[in-house]
Amino acid sequence: EAQVTQNPRYLITVTGKKLTVTCSQNMNHEYMSWYRQDPGLGLRQIYYSMNVEVTDKGDVPEGYKVSRKEKRNFPLILESPSPNQTSLYFCASSRLLAGGQETQYFGPGTRLLVL
Amino acid sequence: SQQGEEDPQALSIQEGENATMNCSYKTSINNLQWYRQNSGRGLVHLILIRSNEREKHSGRLRVTLDTSKKSSSLLITASRAADTASYFCATAPSGNTPLVFGKGTRLSVIA
Repeated sequence: EAQVTQNPRYLITVTGKKLTVTCSQNMNHEYMSWYRQDPGLGLRQIYYSMNVEVTDKGDVPEGYKVSRKEKRNFPLILESPSPNQTSLYFCASSRLLAGGQETQYFGPGTRLLVL
Repeated sequence: SQQGEEDPQALSIQEGENATMNCSYKTSINNLQWYRQNSGRGLVHLILIRSNEREKHSGRLRVTLDTSKKSSSLLITASRAADTASYFCATAPSGNTPLVFGKGTRLSVIA
């Protein structure tokens, strides 16, 4: 089954304790992306990757890191989480054709609470 | 860099009625996509319409695109309580630039 998986689904942590949220897709997609979703603010892009070893900042990259060492994986790293990073996080992937972005497939989300 | 803007922000209708949501955007696009999100879950792709298309249908969904007005509409006919969700439009600018999502329309269908 074609899917995007994220782990963990729920996480409670404390300020400053490094954490990683994993994302994996089995569709051989070139493009992967991380979003955060907060009430009233919609979806905001954190980082995206056009292909292996190619990453770029989205609209709200501060406080986050990513890596794309393999095509299928795109982990999101919070080196020193702060309470303002409490949010619902989504990973997504899509094919990348010459004409532009195609359909994005979303993971189920990771709900993060930073105390 | 939010480009798509949905209107209205919230919509409440009775089961069986049609629901119309609109999306406006600012720059030229390659395609425009509509997504649905049930509360707290991942977005699910509904339909993609390319810049050279004017209308597209999928089941009870009808999407129109007017590139001269930089706007799109999503019509859900004969709505059901299960259609209750948030609906987002996303624009795909030309070239390899990321999809840009709007803030969504929250649809409530009352049985």
